Amino acid sequence: GNSVTQMEGPVTLSEEAFLTINCTYTATGYPSLFWYVQYPGEGLQLLLKATKADDKGSNKGFEATYRKETTSFHLEKGSVQVSDSAVYFCALRAGNMLTFGGGTRLMVKP
Amino acid sequence: DTAVSQTPKYLVTQMGNDKSIKCEQNLGHDTMYWYKQDSKKFLKIMFSYNNKELIINETVPNRFSPKSPDKAHLNLHINSLELGDSAVYFCASSTRGSGVGETQYFGPGTRLLVL
Repeated sequence: GNSVTQMEGPVTLSEEAFLTINCTYTATGYPSLFWYVQYPGEGLQLLLKATKADDKGSNKGFEATYRKETTSFHLEKGSVQVSDSAVYFCALRAGNMLTFGGGTRLMVKP
Repeated sequence: DTAVSQTPKYLVTQMGNDKSIKCEQNLGHDTMYWYKQDSKKFLKIMFSYNNKELIINETVPNRFSPKSPDKAHLNLHINSLELGDSAVYFCASSTRGSGVGETQYFGPGTRLLVL
């Protein structure tokens, strides 16, 4: 079956530090890949997505590249802010099913 | 205007009770979902409806019964609540279509606590 594996958190960074959250997946066929973000006390919001190999999704300074050869979709940001503190979920979509990773909590300190 | 809304936002109840959570979307989508997020933040799909028809039914106890009166609404009824049902329940919607990149839009969640 399909699965998504993310690095376990929490990830604690200082403001303006570089962020990488690793995500790898297992899937049959050619899934679409997503990053969702959940701010404290809120629902999930789509952060970015990529629908085919070598696509790069980007939004709000975050980016991730769909790497078919390594089955990865790592999330990066060059300079994090305190307001980026949240839980980040990597997900894949195959057909109508969205499969999530376990989530990675990011804490950014001023 | 809220795209996907859920009521109630918080629900505290006793074991053995029956409760319902409502979800509505105003995006014109034809597919709706229920997810359960446990205390460790792990998200798992429970059900999916397309045009009022059940299309995904994961291994969920039959105490959980989704109902879709129309394609803009998907309600979740839970009978005989148990302690392990305590979680955050998220509703989501999307277009089904043929686009593999179709995005699911999530509601704010319903925090259920069973005492």
